[in-house]
Amino acid sequence: NAGVTQTPKFRILKIGQSMTLQCTQDMNHNYMYWYRQDPGMGLKLIYYSVGAGITDKGEVPNGYNVSRSTTEDFPLRLELAAPSQTSVYFCASSSRTGEAFFGQGTRLTVV
Amino acid sequence: GQQVMQIPQYQHVQEGEDFTTYCNSSTTLSNIQWYKQRPGGHPVFLIQLVKSGEVKKQKRLTFQFGEAKKNSSLHITATQTTDVGTYFCALPDSNSGYALNFGKGTSLLVTP
Repeated sequence: NAGVTQTPKFRILKIGQSMTLQCTQDMNHNYMYWYRQDPGMGLKLIYYSVGAGITDKGEVPNGYNVSRSTTEDFPLRLELAAPSQTSVYFCASSSRTGEAFFGQGTRLTVV
Repeated sequence: GQQVMQIPQYQHVQEGEDFTTYCNSSTTLSNIQWYKQRPGGHPVFLIQLVKSGEVKKQKRLTFQFGEAKKNSSLHITATQTTDVGTYFCALPDSNSGYALNFGKGTSLLVTP
């Protein structure tokens, strides 16, 4: 099993550009999450989802959008990228109250 | 989200010394999880604690959940260089009940 797969691994964006970070999981987990991690900091929750068609805002949702059309996929959309969005982005999935499995992360730089 | 304080922020030890990180919440928790993140890597689940006063061991790692379920600790006995990384506690988000809120982590450096 691949677990949680994120693409791309690295990306450089110019200010104002848009992009979608892809996340897919093959563990049939209903719960999926997007976090961002700034250098030397913990993980901050951006958005989460309890299943297809249902998404909720986390602690830092501004500047991001998500969709959940299938159980497997949970893409994160950045519109009008800003330098403050330079970070490492992690997608994760879990069963309810179970351990979270993380993807390898996407390192995004906005210049 | 819920506030969780994790201390210390950094710890530098000599190989063979012990290490402890603490996680404190302002509210009673249903459960708490611990994760390890190696430099340049992604968080990896270590353990989940659910019961008041619970103590669990994994080889040289000992995890405790406080009697009041508001604090937790991770203790590593006789650290090794392979223990290097950042250790995070994570607790259920008060709004959703399942999304995890992470502490800021304790970065452990072990020198031989």
